[in-house]
Amino acid sequence: DTEVTQTPKHLVMGMTNKKSLKCEQHMGHRAMYWYKQKAKKPPELMFVYSYEKLSINESVPSRFSPECPNSSLLNLHLHALQPEDSALYLCASSTSPLAGEGGLETQYFGPGTRLLVL
Amino acid sequence: AQSVSQHNHHVILSEAASLELGCNYSYGGTVNLFWYVQYPGQHLQLLLKYFSGDPLVKGIKGFEAEFIKSKFSFNLRKPSVQWSDTAEYFCAVSRRGNTGKLIFGQGTTLQVKP
Repeated sequence: DTEVTQTPKHLVMGMTNKKSLKCEQHMGHRAMYWYKQKAKKPPELMFVYSYEKLSINESVPSRFSPECPNSSLLNLHLHALQPEDSALYLCASSTSPLAGEGGLETQYFGPGTRLLVL
Repeated sequence: AQSVSQHNHHVILSEAASLELGCNYSYGGTVNLFWYVQYPGQHLQLLLKYFSGDPLVKGIKGFEAEFIKSKFSFNLRKPSVQWSDTAEYFCAVSRRGNTGKLIFGQGTTLQVKP
């Protein structure tokens, strides 16, 4: 099973709201990722967690706050977003690059949360 | 900096036509290579991947790709496309190392006419 689940599927929020996106996988993967994807564009990496620790932050604004409470869960907390943050937010998981497997990771993606910021 | 180029941005084919989508990357070290597909309204799905060994890899739904190291290329092929292959196709590359960072090409929109 290569399933990554994400909730909610759709989210509309105002610029003063606080909301959270949730991602879950039960493949035993120890690396999890957040991507942002605009229409007709490739996914852009935001954050990487490896063994529940943040390993990459691609200079993402602080209004996006990731959290990895355990090895199966990844959250993205949203606060004071801007309309230009409207996008599809994708979660992915893989075996960890630090697991000594020689860098042979394959990322599996969830269906995404389509976010609209008004 | 590492980059991935997909030369065809929008491809229109008739059913049963053959498909080849180009992908080139710029990185001199060892890489992992992937093709992902995103059907309309659906999530990114892995079509195929190359880590090592036989440079001709076969994926799902009749797709295959060939890694040519000397050309830094990983082109995707399918001998006969179907209307259901209409989708966005992304080539992606990761460096063999310890970051897990995946670099995507800009994507190719494939439209197959019935």
